[in-house]
Amino acid sequence: ETGVTQSPTHLIKTRGQQVTLRCSSQSGHNTVSWYQQALGQGPQFIFQYYREEENGRGNFPPRFSGLQFPNYSSELNVNALELDDSALYLCASSFQSGTGSTYGYTFGSGTRLTVV
Amino acid sequence: AQKITQTQPGMFVQEKEAVTLDCTYDTSDPSYGLFWYKQPSSGEMIFLIYQGSYDQQNATEGRYSLNFQKARKSANLVISASQLGDSAMYFCAMRDLYNNNDMRFGAGTRLTVKP
Repeated sequence: ETGVTQSPTHLIKTRGQQVTLRCSSQSGHNTVSWYQQALGQGPQFIFQYYREEENGRGNFPPRFSGLQFPNYSSELNVNALELDDSALYLCASSFQSGTGSTYGYTFGSGTRLTVV
Repeated sequence: AQKITQTQPGMFVQEKEAVTLDCTYDTSDPSYGLFWYKQPSSGEMIFLIYQGSYDQQNATEGRYSLNFQKARKSANLVISASQLGDSAMYFCAMRDLYNNNDMRFGAGTRLTVKP
């Protein structure tokens, strides 16, 4: 089975620009979660998508938005980039059953975003 | 609110020896899961071991074991027979099993295995 793939691996953007990061979930998984990991810190939950709808959100402003597609892949969009948005962005896929139980997360290798 | 604390920013261990990485947590939820992940320099978070709050026995996965002390709210990771490839960042994480869309991570511990 294929794992979680993220693209691009590295990205440099200018403050004020917009960026789109992409994630292909693991085969058989229907849920995608996005995390921001600043240098030297643990990952922080941004949001989760299940059945193409946002299914929970962390403490991030509305300029962080996302999409999930019918094939369960996902995009993270960040508008009006700020210097503090520089981080590793991790995508994790999982399978959520109809009863709401969620099984293990599989993480991708991340996209390293640098805002200058 | 849930909180994960890892008090060891860095740890050193001699190859072939065992090492314990500390993790304490705080939650008011009765049902939760505890996870340990390894993050090499490549960035990918690699799942190591899982412990459910109602599990009676400590989890083990090969060279990894989790020392779960529920009353103390601690979930320490023990790595036996350390290998050079174990050098990486290690993160403890927790998720409420009912509100399962938010996994919270600690700040991590950088483990260095010396030859």
